Amino acid sequence: AQSVTQPDIHITVSEGASLELRCNYSYGATPYLFWYVQSPGQGLQLLLKYFSGDTLVQGIKGFEAEFKRSQSSFNLRKPSVHWSDAAEYFCAVGASGGGADGLTFGKGTHLIIQP
Amino acid sequence: NAGVTQTPKFRVLKTGQSMTLLCAQDMNHEYMYWYRQDPGMGLRLIHYSVGEGTTAKGEVPDGYNVSRLKKQNFLLGLESAAPSQTSVYFCASSFPGNTIYFGEGSWLTVV
Repeated sequence: AQSVTQPDIHITVSEGASLELRCNYSYGATPYLFWYVQSPGQGLQLLLKYFSGDTLVQGIKGFEAEFKRSQSSFNLRKPSVHWSDAAEYFCAVGASGGGADGLTFGKGTHLIIQP
Repeated sequence: NAGVTQTPKFRVLKTGQSMTLLCAQDMNHEYMYWYRQDPGMGLRLIHYSVGEGTTAKGEVPDGYNVSRLKKQNFLLGLESAAPSQTSVYFCASSFPGNTIYFGEGSWLTVV
């Protein structure tokens, strides 16, 4: 069965500092990988996705993520965080080739930005 | 750009009452999903559908029923609500093997 682990429940970063959110997945086939962001009381917004090709993917809001097959990881990074980045971040894995049973989500990482 | 629309956005139910959450998408997606989100649990799949007239169970289907009578709509029903069903419910849709788009959520409280 597929699974996603986000080891950090909470992360606190100073505004302007760099950020890395960790994501490890377990999946038997070629995965589709996603990062979503959720602001309080809001739905999920797609930050970026990896389907195939270049293992470093660029997303919205200055985020990027790197797929490392050997480490089963898909870590999210941003060089300089802004106060508006405070939110909940979810990593998710799905089946490539059109799997119908949706995505499996990690439990989320809550990002706190210090002034 | 409507995308995925959920109604109602907020609802309070008494234990044992029934209700239906409606999801509508205007992107002509084949696949539709219902997830629930609970603190510290991430999102868990309740039911999904791969096309009009089809439904399938996800990770946490007990206590819920679904129907997909029209391609653009996916209904989630609670026949006899329980406090354990207090949650935030998200509908989503996608083309096969492609990005899943989410609605804005429905906050349900069962007292």
